[in-house]
Amino acid sequence: AQKITQTQPGMFVQEKEAVTLDCTYDTSDPSYGLFWYKQPSSGEMIFLIYQGSYDQQNATEGRYSLNFQKARKSANLVISASQLGDSAMYFCAMRATTNFGNEKLTFGTGTRLTIIP
Amino acid sequence: DSGVTQTPKHLITATGQRVTLRCSPRSGDLSVYWYQQSLDQGLQFLIQYYNGEERAKGNILERFSAQQFPDLHSELNLSSLELGDSALYFCASSSLALWGETQYFGPGTRLLVL
Repeated sequence: AQKITQTQPGMFVQEKEAVTLDCTYDTSDPSYGLFWYKQPSSGEMIFLIYQGSYDQQNATEGRYSLNFQKARKSANLVISASQLGDSAMYFCAMRATTNFGNEKLTFGTGTRLTIIP
Repeated sequence: DSGVTQTPKHLITATGQRVTLRCSPRSGDLSVYWYQQSLDQGLQFLIQYYNGEERAKGNILERFSAQQFPDLHSELNLSSLELGDSALYFCASSSLALWGETQYFGPGTRLLVL
């Protein structure tokens, strides 16, 4: 069964510092994908970044990068030069194929990030 | 504004009832995803459609069904509603059916079952 674990329920980080949000996963599927989403207090959901299991390089999107360590089964999100607008809930998710051939997306419980001025 | 619209924004109904949530994807996007976010279950992926056909299925209950119409809008039908179905339902769209693509989310429909 697929499982995503986010061990940090909440984090406080000083503005302009880099922050790493942890995500570990468990799957026996050789082909999978990892996502990060952001949900500000206003409630909307924002797709941030995606990493495929066979991608050779770590994914980057602007200030966001995904530190993908396949052997450790971790997919941590790194936000460089944090801003006040980065305060939000962050969800890690994994796509994998079930035994029945269906694609399935499993979410972690989220990390609430607060940026301190 | 992501370009994805969802109606209604809020919905209050009673147990046992049936409701329909509507999603219009961004212009040109062929793929629509439905997600549920509740206090009990957290975030869950429900189902994905691509150009009118079901492409991926997640934790969607048998009481729930969805479809994507020729004009690419999608509807999520929830029937025999229970208190536990109270949640925020998100729709997202992307241009193709590739999971690695950016998904653009709508503002969500907040459903309250009393």
